[in-house]
Amino acid sequence: NAGVTQTPKFQVLKTGQSMTLQCAQDMNHEYMSWYRQDPGMGLRLIHYSVGAGITDQGEVPNGYNVSRSTTEDFPLRLLSAAPSQTSVYFCASSRDGPSNQPQHFGDGTRLSIL
Amino acid sequence: AQTVTQSQPEMSVQEAETVTLSCTYDTSENNYYLFWYKQPPSRQMILVIRQEAYKQQNATENRFSVNFQKAAKSFSLKISDSQLGDTAMYFCALKETSGSRLTFGEGTQLTVNP
Repeated sequence: NAGVTQTPKFQVLKTGQSMTLQCAQDMNHEYMSWYRQDPGMGLRLIHYSVGAGITDQGEVPNGYNVSRSTTEDFPLRLLSAAPSQTSVYFCASSRDGPSNQPQHFGDGTRLSIL
Repeated sequence: AQTVTQSQPEMSVQEAETVTLSCTYDTSENNYYLFWYKQPPSRQMILVIRQEAYKQQNATENRFSVNFQKAAKSFSLKISDSQLGDTAMYFCALKETSGSRLTFGEGTQLTVNP
């Protein structure tokens, strides 16, 4: 049972390039989310989804797009990378949103924008 | 809006001693969940303990326990008999039952010294 799988683990981009961070879960979870982790700021929510076909913005959505065409996958797209997007990105999933079930996290993607 | 504050960026403790990490939060709702996550150098996010706001009894998980003070909006984590493997960043997090969002504090870096 793989849990939450994120790819790639590391990536270096040039300013202006685009890329997609992949996230897949095999637990049939309805709720999925993306966070970015920056020193001294904890994890901040970028976008989230409560089920296939439904997405919504989190705390820091600017510069990122998401889609949820299947229950399993929730990719995060950077349209035009900027140095301010240098961060560690985590994908997480849980059985549903409004419950006490904890979120399961992927291992993170370290992204550097030059 | 829900907020979570961890006022101790760094803490250290001697092996086998007890340490308490502080967390305060703010929410306008009466029903919510609180979590402590651990992030070791491997970068994984690991659930340590959770607390439902409607439960008066403090949660415990082996060497980990919480002091939940609902009126004061305080949720501290106590680690007893600290072990070297407890060295990690610890995050406090809040989720309101009416929504899906998980809000994290800034984190506390705990170092256990031999």
